Amino acid sequence: AQSVTQLGSHVSVSEGALVLLRCNYSSSVPPYLFWYVQYPNQGLQLLLKYTTGATLVKGINGFEAEFKKSETSFHLTKPSAHMSDAAEYFCAVKPNAGNMLTFGGGTRLMVKP
Amino acid sequence: NAGVTQTPKFRILKIGQSMTLQCTQDMNHNYMYWYRQDPGMGLKLIYYSVGAGITDKGEVPNGYNVSRSTTEDFPLRLELAAPSQTSVYFCATRRAGTDTQYFGPGTRLTVL
Repeated sequence: AQSVTQLGSHVSVSEGALVLLRCNYSSSVPPYLFWYVQYPNQGLQLLLKYTTGATLVKGINGFEAEFKKSETSFHLTKPSAHMSDAAEYFCAVKPNAGNMLTFGGGTRLMVKP
Repeated sequence: NAGVTQTPKFRILKIGQSMTLQCTQDMNHNYMYWYRQDPGMGLKLIYYSVGAGITDKGEVPNGYNVSRSTTEDFPLRLELAAPSQTSVYFCATRRAGTDTQYFGPGTRLTVL
């Protein structure tokens, strides 16, 4: 069984500040890890993913995430927030041989001018 | 290339009514998924399909039915709508051998 926990359902940062969205997972087998972003009234879009190889992965719009096996974490960061980053962010996990994604509860990012 | 399309965008149902949520894709992806999104709960998988004629239950299938007669279409059927089915429903697709799911814009359903 897998589960995903996103700490903080709402995160507020100032424009230009560091963005840090936290994701911890539990999985009995090596997982694949994903971050999706959802803009208002839209479907989800893939930001980045970790499958194998380099543990620091870069995604679109300047986001990156680091897979830390010892901490069972996959936190999402961006050095400098932009107003257009305001959205809801979902962390998800999948067994490497499975078909189904398990999503966390989501974190709504608000960016203040 | 429209990607994943869902109809309708919004719908209000009365308790006990039935309806079908439509999902169509033009990417020739093998896998299709139905999720529901409730506030603060993330997305929960209802049903998925690995190809035409093959479907399987996800985490929360009760109260729903699906069919997959073609690669392109994956309709979700609610037979007896209940207030607990008030949610936003997303369809997604995935090409076999890859990991990325592509989502439609969603259907917002309210059951009163």
